[in-house]
Amino acid sequence: ETGVTQSPTHLIKTRGQQVTLRCSSQSGHNTVSWYQQALGQGPQFIFQYYREEENGRGNFPPRFSGLQFPNYSSELNVNALELDDSALYLCASGTGASEWTEAFFGQGTRLTVV
Amino acid sequence: GQQVMQIPQYQHVQEGEDFTTYCNSSTTLSNIQWYKQRPGGHPVFLIQLVKSGEVKKQKRLTFQFGEAKKNSSLHITATQTTDVGTYFCAGHTGNQFYFGTGTSLTVIP
Repeated sequence: ETGVTQSPTHLIKTRGQQVTLRCSSQSGHNTVSWYQQALGQGPQFIFQYYREEENGRGNFPPRFSGLQFPNYSSELNVNALELDDSALYLCASGTGASEWTEAFFGQGTRLTVV
Repeated sequence: GQQVMQIPQYQHVQEGEDFTTYCNSSTTLSNIQWYKQRPGGHPVFLIQLVKSGEVKKQKRLTFQFGEAKKNSSLHITATQTTDVGTYFCAGHTGNQFYFGTGTSLTVIP
């Protein structure tokens, strides 16, 4: 196991609702990144936080936002959910802002939007 | 925009045969990582390559980073059933991180 935990494991939401996903990083890690993985596709980078500051963002709209807390745990918030937001959401923790070292992934949250 | 493509998309091999997946980026990468994802699982880090032309080996796995730092390959010698899964490359450029499209490997006993 990686020591990265995500909650909840599964979630069903209605289109237009808002959702918050949580990630607890591995001890000693100060970087967390979030990914969206649609079925049968590779993970898509949403954003990365380093020491509570966003230091990288992929091609996702502003309704995808995040937070990293002083204990380096993290949240991903998605507003105005759309059907296409249905996917596995993965967080990964690591160390270092610019080195992009090994990322340790959690098991993911399976979000279904109906 | 930035794209990281992998070929082939799917590969079926007999146990004991070799396997190679190729990763190509539309732009130069700072480094590249390789991950393995089993069905229903999460990506697991395999290795990171940083230098142009770098080659690294892990037992039956050989990883290579191209001279131009735009392509990479993963070669598995004498595949085993435990090698089953999807292999992703993931490249870093600027403050972006791009996963490849993945190659799904099936090993037939």
